[in-house]
Amino acid sequence: GAVVSQHPSRVICKSGTSVKIECRSLDFQATTMFWYRQFPKKSLMLMATSNEGSKATYEQGVEKDKFLINHASLTLSTLTVTSAHPEDSSFYICSVTSGHEQYFGPGTRLTVT
Amino acid sequence: TQLLEQSPQFLSIQEGENLTVYCNSSSVFSSLQWYRQEPGEGPVLLVTVVTGGEVKKLKRLTFQFGDARKDSSLHITAAQPGDTGLYLCAGGEYGNKLVFGAGTILRVKS
Repeated sequence: GAVVSQHPSRVICKSGTSVKIECRSLDFQATTMFWYRQFPKKSLMLMATSNEGSKATYEQGVEKDKFLINHASLTLSTLTVTSAHPEDSSFYICSVTSGHEQYFGPGTRLTVT
Repeated sequence: TQLLEQSPQFLSIQEGENLTVYCNSSSVFSSLQWYRQEPGEGPVLLVTVVTGGEVKKLKRLTFQFGDARKDSSLHITAAQPGDTGLYLCAGGEYGNKLVFGAGTILRVKS
């Protein structure tokens, strides 16, 4: 399967600041990547579909101006959490698709103080 | 949006016991994946099933896709502490999206 990395693995930021999370597909050209959010001991919640060279598609209830997604190349998608608040603290995970399957990155733990 | 109901949500068993996790839906999926996730890590793909009635085995794990492609099960034989984790089923939707079940937290005690 595809190998996916995320950076950083953990980040702590202050309220009101912005944080960028990178998702890289290391061995696979990904025209589509997905961004998920996960709360402790809960399942994954799809936030948006990141499309290379075009605008991301956001799920209902996800603020596109708060969660900025850029998919500038076939191997990199970034998620920027703007004006972060404590309620944005969560585990953010990206994935790439290959046929029917999705391969996930290791996740980024965001803590907003 | 399709929904996938996963049960049970929590399972705590002794080493050596067998268990089954179920995922059910009223909708048909093009495929169904099972993932295992450990705390602080991303989900790891265990198996993909695409054909109705398909059965796949991965060592002590047996995965089944329902004939109508609306449900699936994961059976673990002789569970071990290393099987502890969050198990997620996910149904394939249009645009390669996945619909996730709520997850099953499995704890295997030695």
